[in-house]
Amino acid sequence: EVQLVESGGGLVKPGGSLRLSCAASGFTFSDAWMTWVRQAPGKGLEWVGRIKSKTDGGTADYAAPVQGRFTISRDDSKNTLYLQMNSLRIEDTAVYYCFVWYFDYWGQGTLVTVSS
Amino acid sequence: DIQMTQSPSSLSASVGDRVTITCRASQGIRNDLGWYQQKPGKAPKRLIYAASSFQSGVPSRFSGSGSGTEFTLTISSLQPEDFATYYCLQHNSNPLTFGGGTKVEIK
Repeated sequence: EVQLVESGGGLVKPGGSLRLSCAASGFTFSDAWMTWVRQAPGKGLEWVGRIKSKTDGGTADYAAPVQGRFTISRDDSKNTLYLQMNSLRIEDTAVYYCFVWYFDYWGQGTLVTVSS
Repeated sequence: DIQMTQSPSSLSASVGDRVTITCRASQGIRNDLGWYQQKPGKAPKRLIYAASSFQSGVPSRFSGSGSGTEFTLTISSLQPEDFATYYCLQHNSNPLTFGGGTKVEIK
C-alpha cells in the first residue's frame, strides 16, 4: 500500500523556520519526482516546488513566492522528502501536501501556521 | 509563468445535471493538463490526465477534452458524491500552475 505521511507542521512566528518531512512507502521512492503543494485556508491549490529523482539530476524547482526561502531535498536511503522553510511569512500559512504527480499519490497534509 | 483561468468559480447544480468546467491557459500547453477533485479536508484526487485520459477507477461520467489553450471537464450526470471542488493543473512547464478551482454545490 502506498503511503505518504507528512509531519513537522505547526505554529511558527513570522521570520521563523520549519522543516517538513514526507515519509514514503509502497513505491520506489528513489525513482520518483516528488512535489510539494500547499493550500491556504479556504483557498485553492498552489504548487510549491518539485525535486527530480537523482537519476534525472536531483535538481529542484520552486514557485516564485518561495524561491530563495524554501529548499526541497530528499534522502533516498530514508525514503523521505523534506521541505525546509525559512523566513516564513504570514501568507505561507497553509496545509502542505507532498505528492507524486506521475502516479497521483498524495499525503494527508500538514498544517503550517505563521502567526505572531 | 503559464496562467490557468478556470471558470466558473462556483456553480449550483442538481443530481443528474450535466456540468461543464473550463480551463484556459495563457499559452499553449499541448495536452499537458490534469483535472483534480477535492473534497473538504481531503487531498485532491486526479480524475483525468493528458487532458482526456481517464485515471484508473474514475467513473465514466467524468470526461475531459481540449488541447492547446482551451480545456473542459464534463460530468455527464452529476451524482451526490460529485459535490466537491475541481481544479485543473498544467504540467507543460515550470512552475506548474493550478486553476483557481470550481466549487460544485447542491442546488
